[in-house]
Amino acid sequence: DQQVKQNSPSLSVQEGRISILNCDYTNSMFDYFLWYKKYPAEGPTFLISISSIKDKNEDGRFTVFLNKSAKHLSLHIVPSQPGDSAVYFCAASGGADGLTFGKGTHLIIQP
Amino acid sequence: GAGVSQSPSNKVTEKGKDVELRCDPISGHTALYWYRQRLGQGLEFLIYFQGNSAPDKSGLPSDRFSAERTGESVSTLTIQRTQQEDSAVYLCASSKTRSGELFFGEGSRLTVL
Repeated sequence: DQQVKQNSPSLSVQEGRISILNCDYTNSMFDYFLWYKKYPAEGPTFLISISSIKDKNEDGRFTVFLNKSAKHLSLHIVPSQPGDSAVYFCAASGGADGLTFGKGTHLIIQP
Repeated sequence: GAGVSQSPSNKVTEKGKDVELRCDPISGHTALYWYRQRLGQGLEFLIYFQGNSAPDKSGLPSDRFSAERTGESVSTLTIQRTQQEDSAVYLCASSKTRSGELFFGEGSRLTVL
């Protein structure tokens, strides 16, 4: 039973446009959400996070939006750059458990 | 070192052999996780250590898998009688707190022939 779902295995976006990566969760105990970015042959690296007391967190070109009622969060990257091409993992935590990851979305930025 | 260190970076083994993977977390990080990523798949949770609490082993796929951690330092993941489906990149991560930012190692790529 997947508690964190990233329904798009891949996403292709033109350079300069906005990339929107989506994530849905089922566990209402989750209260902290993170996005990780992974290049091939490297470990994932932290990108941005959001606490459930907020509905938006911004860091440069990256913004994460949280809709608690819909149990949905999204990562917006604008403008998209070639170096943004990577696999993006959504993760969530709450209660006594550690982080639960989604399966990832492969973002491809086209020139 | 400054980051999470994993060894070996690559391991090729024959089916039926045992393997041991090692993780050195960032000093002072109380939480340590093992994940694996099989080809074309996402991150699959294996086991989670938090301080001196009993580890969360709910992600271990079979009793051939086990992991230990000495205090808040090194962890080893052991796979006994390896099978071809165990082939994956095994990732270790640590964090200061239970829900804090995870810092990942570069992974140990295991290939079972």
